[in-house]
Amino acid sequence: SYELTQPPSVSVSPGQTARITCSGDALPKKYAYWYQQKSGQAPVLVIYEDSKRPSGIPERFSGSSSGTMATLTISGAQVEDEADYYCYSTDSSGNLHVFGTGTKVTVL
Amino acid sequence: EVQLVQSGAEVKKPGESLKISCKGSGYSFTSYWIGWVRQMPGKGLEWMGIIYPGDSDTRYSPSFQGQVTISADKSISTAYLQWSSLKASDTAMYYCARLGLERPWDYWGQGTLVTVSS
Repeated sequence: SYELTQPPSVSVSPGQTARITCSGDALPKKYAYWYQQKSGQAPVLVIYEDSKRPSGIPERFSGSSSGTMATLTISGAQVEDEADYYCYSTDSSGNLHVFGTGTKVTVL
Repeated sequence: EVQLVQSGAEVKKPGESLKISCKGSGYSFTSYWIGWVRQMPGKGLEWMGIIYPGDSDTRYSPSFQGQVTISADKSISTAYLQWSSLKASDTAMYYCARLGLERPWDYWGQGTLVTVSS
């Protein structure tokens, strides 16, 4: 099996920077992707291929990856960014798709 | 516009069978993998498996192999997730999602809530 590990929760004040980490052994070879899931809604892709932002995603969302850890950064977090965030990747073979354990971001 | 529209909520008893659906539109349904994701109440996302509707090639997560069946009918652009004998622990929201070429899970269905209770 393969696991992606995230912190259970991150809390910041509005305007501060939130950083969410995702740890996985295959991340040096595989891209990380990040999804935002607001309460009662389907997930939405916010970062792909480690650091790229889909159109329509605010610039305050950014991603990076180094070694076995990927990081999602929300610079100047807004109240509307409160959500669960999941990283996603595959194992080194590319056959096993895995979501991270999820991080609840609170902005208050 | 790409859309994935899932079938409605289901309430079933343990031991019953169930098949839920996910209809794609606005793109070439046979050219993209479709995946299923489980989210148990208050829990995280779990990848269950994927299917390529073009040739019905199917891959399962080891955690779900033998527990569910994924299928597709390309003639009606619809993917399916089915159970032969439901358990209470199958109670969850189930999402289908498209595996994009550069952007995995770029489009999602609205989710189907399955409740299994005696």
